[in-house]
Amino acid sequence: SQKIEQNSEALNIQEGKTATLTCNYTNYSPAYLQWYRQDPGRGPVFLLLIRENEKEKRKERLKVTFDTTLKQSLFHITASQPADSATYLCALEDSNYQLIWGAGTKLIIKP
Amino acid sequence: EAQVTQNPRYLITVTGKKLTVTCSQNMNHEYMSWYRQDPGLGLRQIYYSMNVEVTDKGDVPEGYKVSRKEKRNFPLILESPSPNQTSLYFCASSLERTYEQYFGPGTRLTVT
Repeated sequence: SQKIEQNSEALNIQEGKTATLTCNYTNYSPAYLQWYRQDPGRGPVFLLLIRENEKEKRKERLKVTFDTTLKQSLFHITASQPADSATYLCALEDSNYQLIWGAGTKLIIKP
Repeated sequence: EAQVTQNPRYLITVTGKKLTVTCSQNMNHEYMSWYRQDPGLGLRQIYYSMNVEVTDKGDVPEGYKVSRKEKRNFPLILESPSPNQTSLYFCASSLERTYEQYFGPGTRLTVT
C-alpha cells in the first residue's frame, strides 16, 4: 500500500544544534515534495518545495534533501532556536494529483 | 494582505443539521482544496478545485459537497453532518496544483 511516514515521536533538540526530520514514502513516484510548518491551532505554512531532479534545496537556515532511490526526504534546521518549535509536515503528490500528507513530526527546541 | 479566510472558526452543531463553511482567497489562485485534520493522521484532502466550475473528489469526500462558482470562493457543505465529521477543517489555495499552498486559519467543527 502507499504511505508516507514521519517520526511520530517528538524530536527534542538543544538550542543551537541542527534538527533533522525524516519523511519516508513507499509506492509513490512523486515529481516533487513539500515541507510545511504548523503551529498549534493554526494552518500549515509552506517552507520549501523540492523537485525530483533536485538533490538539495536551501532557504536561510533550512535545507531539504530528496533521495528518490531511498524514497526519503530529510529536512534540516541549522542553528535551531526555540521559535523553531512546531510540527513539521511533508507532503507529496500521488499519481491522481492529490497531495498526500504525513502526520507530521513535533519538534521541540530546548533553550 | 494576501490571505485565505474561513468562517466560522468554531462551530458546534447537531447531527443532521445542514451547515456550510465558507472559504475565500484574495490571491486570484486557480487551485483550491479542503482538508480535514484528525489527531495522529495527516491532512486528508476532501475535495479540490482546479478552477471555476471544476471540482473533484479527494481522499475522503463522503458526506461533503463543494461548489466553485467564483474563483475566490470555495464553500464546503455538510448536508447531514454526523459525529464522525467532528474535525479540524482547513481550506487552502495555490496558484496552480503543484505550487505552494496557502492555508486558512481552520474551522473546528463538533457534531453532537
